[in-house]
Amino acid sequence: DQQVKQNSPSLSVQEGRISILNCDYTNSMFDYFLWYKKYPAEGPTFLISISSIKDKNEDGRFTVFLNKSAKHLSLHIVPSQPGDSAVYFCAASYRQGGSEKLVFGKGTKLTVNP
Amino acid sequence: DTGVSQDPRHKITKRGQNVTFRCDPISEHNRLYWYRQTLGQGPEFLTYFQNEAQLEKSRLLSDRFSAERPKGSFSTLEIQRTEQGDSAMYLCASSWGGGVYEQYFGPGTRLTVT
Repeated sequence: DQQVKQNSPSLSVQEGRISILNCDYTNSMFDYFLWYKKYPAEGPTFLISISSIKDKNEDGRFTVFLNKSAKHLSLHIVPSQPGDSAVYFCAASYRQGGSEKLVFGKGTKLTVNP
Repeated sequence: DTGVSQDPRHKITKRGQNVTFRCDPISEHNRLYWYRQTLGQGPEFLTYFQNEAQLEKSRLLSDRFSAERPKGSFSTLEIQRTEQGDSAMYLCASSWGGGVYEQYFGPGTRLTVT
């Protein structure tokens, strides 16, 4: 079963506008959430994270919001730039036995049009 | 460059052959992870080391797979008797641990089994 879900396979926005990428999770044991960006033929690059004790974390143009009651998080990119075009993965940290392994969604491909 | 490195970047092998991949983590990181990514999916956890100890293995890691981290530095992932279903991107990541959850990924090794 998919514990981390990204229901939108793709998203297209205009340069300068806001990009909102969504992620839902089912396991209430998750205690840390991360967003990664991936370009073709490269490994995922860490972008931003949030602890389950917070509801918002901001880093420059990137903000992550967490709604624990809805088991939902979102990544906001403002303003969007063409260089942001990539696949974005939502990941959750699952502290079982102290492993801190990450559980990933399937990704959302963001295209920012000039 | 002090990022995570992986070697080789690409490997083509015939079914039934053995292959070995290497990962060099960020030098001060004591935790090392292996993930596998197939087309249209997010990375899936395979196994995890803290220093030289292998602390967790996914059920995805069949007995044909073995991973080592002999001196707590680099790691190798070996696949014996490869099958076409093993074709995937194999990603290595490392982290500092100690409550820091961000994992930093290498560029991956693309395996194609013919």
